[in-house]
Amino acid sequence: DADVTQTPRNRITKTGKRIMLECSQTKGHDRMYWYRQDPGLGLQLIYYSFDVKDINKGEISDGYSVSRQAQAKFSLSLESAIPNQTALYFCATSDFRTAPGAGAFFGQGTRLTVV
Amino acid sequence: GQQLNQSPQSMFIQEGEDVSMNCTSSSIFNTWLWYKQEPGEGPVLLIALYKAGELTSNGRLTAQFGITRKDSFLNISASIPSDVGIYFCAGHGLLSGTYKYIFGTGTRLKVLA
Repeated sequence: DADVTQTPRNRITKTGKRIMLECSQTKGHDRMYWYRQDPGLGLQLIYYSFDVKDINKGEISDGYSVSRQAQAKFSLSLESAIPNQTALYFCATSDFRTAPGAGAFFGQGTRLTVV
Repeated sequence: GQQLNQSPQSMFIQEGEDVSMNCTSSSIFNTWLWYKQEPGEGPVLLIALYKAGELTSNGRLTAQFGITRKDSFLNISASIPSDVGIYFCAGHGLLSGTYKYIFGTGTRLKVLA
């Protein structure tokens, strides 16, 4: 089983719908992240969480919200999906407490299409 | 959003050739990381660098942490078809008061057999 699991892997939704992407990890890492990937733009940080009660906005947080339900779970919501949110979304984790800067570990991604 | 400058954006090479790519930033980082992403998958960590000037290898891959701490380089020797993918650099450091990872825009590598 993957250490960082994202569900769903693929999703097509309509404009205006609310959608939630889920991420769970078995690595025991304290930090979790949501990134968005668009062709030619690399990975852009949407939100990140240092612990269950700590949520921080990234560079492109508008139109998104997150919830850290437990140390192992971090979900991303699109309150009212719009077509330009069509992208590949990645969840990642890192272990800042014992290995800061050691690298983030990524899930397999969720391909979201908003029509 | 903030991103690192990575070059080249893409490259086609012949099998057996060596490949070089680099990443530059206006910010100083404590750690430089190199990832590879294959189609339909998330990025996978290849090499982590922790000290300015450090040179680290992972098989045919060699990466260097620039002396200024604002750049990093990745070399792939004797490329093979399975090297195809997108290579991302990432820096980790204190930015705007918090530690975070910033990623490059990626180098898309295609290897011709």
